[in-house]
Amino acid sequence: AQSVTQLDSQVPVFEEAPVELRCNYSSSVSVYLFWYVQYPNQGLQLLLKYLSGSTLVESINGFEAEFNKSQTSFHLRKPSVHISDTAEYFCAVMDTGFQKLVFGTGTRLLVSP
Amino acid sequence: DTGVSQDPRHKITKRGQNVTFRCDPISEHNRLYWYRQTLGQGPEFLTYFQNEAQLEKSRLLSDRFSAERPKGSFSTLEIQRTEQGDSAMYLCASSSWTGGAETQYFGPGTRLLVL
Repeated sequence: AQSVTQLDSQVPVFEEAPVELRCNYSSSVSVYLFWYVQYPNQGLQLLLKYLSGSTLVESINGFEAEFNKSQTSFHLRKPSVHISDTAEYFCAVMDTGFQKLVFGTGTRLLVSP
Repeated sequence: DTGVSQDPRHKITKRGQNVTFRCDPISEHNRLYWYRQTLGQGPEFLTYFQNEAQLEKSRLLSDRFSAERPKGSFSTLEIQRTEQGDSAMYLCASSSWTGGAETQYFGPGTRLLVL
């Protein structure tokens, strides 16, 4: 079985500062990794994903995440955040055999001016 | 694609009543998933369909829950004899599975409050 740990329930940061949201996973099989973002009262939107190949993946709005197999981590980073990045961020893992997503408990990113 | 849609967006019901939610996936997506998200938690898998076949059910899905996808298009999730513990956001997702990695696209969710 897989599990995901998001160590920080809330991360406050000032606008234009860098941020890192941590994600560690546990799995006995090969996995795919995802970050989803959820704005208030909305469903989840895919931010980025790692399936194979380059361990560094990027989103269109400046976020990036790096798959580290030895540390079983998939931390999300952004060099300069905007107010509009305020949201809940969920890390998720999917084993390559069965396509169910297993989510972490989420990290609330609070960006203030 | 118009995206995944869910109806209703909000539902308030009294304990013991039955409720039914509908999910319309992205057209031609052959897989459809239901997840439940409680306050402060990440979504938890409930069940999924490939076309009209229900292939997996979580232990979270008690006998009071039933899901259908009769023609391999839209899906319904029914909760009978609702309990206060059923209060949650119910999320639907769909994907196009071709034997490899897939991306699940989520709908806006149905928020259920059981009084």
